[in-house]
Amino acid sequence: DAKTTQPNSMESNEEEPVHLPCNHSTISGTDYIHWYRQLPSQGPEYVIHGLTSNVNNRMASLAIAEDRKSSTLILHRATLRDAAVYYCISGAGSYQLTFGKGTKLSVIP
Amino acid sequence: DGGITQSPKYLFRKEGQNVTLSCEQNLNHDAMYWYRQDPGQGLRLIYYSQIVNDFQKGDIAEGYSVSREKKESFPLTVTSAQKNPTAFYLCASSMWASSYNEQFFGPGTRLTVL
Repeated sequence: DAKTTQPNSMESNEEEPVHLPCNHSTISGTDYIHWYRQLPSQGPEYVIHGLTSNVNNRMASLAIAEDRKSSTLILHRATLRDAAVYYCISGAGSYQLTFGKGTKLSVIP
Repeated sequence: DGGITQSPKYLFRKEGQNVTLSCEQNLNHDAMYWYRQDPGQGLRLIYYSQIVNDFQKGDIAEGYSVSREKKESFPLTVTSAQKNPTAFYLCASSMWASSYNEQFFGPGTRLTVL
């Protein structure tokens, strides 16, 4: 699996956009980029994934750099329910998802 | 409702005892996974199964065993050989094991060995 690097923690004010960065400089051409999030004492929840193009869904947007060495998860309006640990993962097979420590997002009311 | 169930939510065992954690899914998914999470850490893959009657070791399989006799069920046994079994255990499933299938996770079982 390609190794990913994320900040340990970030803060955001409620109702403001949040940009969560991820570096994956050793990513191969066939590796997808996945984002999951985990609330305390719960299982992770899928957020979004992509390969080359930017992706949008009801939860978030994923912006992928042209060289694919980095990506950014965008939450358009942070709510208190978005406070969680966000994991950025890249891998060639879903059974090879390696969850690092992720970024702990705190949302300030 | 479709989803993954894990039972029990909390489990206490004495050192030296084997314990089996349950995982059931009604999503009709072929692939299932077991992960372990220690406090403040990410998830580590224990075992995965791509199809009934087949399973593969993950990164930390030592001291664990699994079976996949039915598509819906993927129980994990934590044996006495596992040196430090106290952890949060998560089961997941996906339609099949591919690079783009999302994984659906259960609520987890917190195992404490006394």
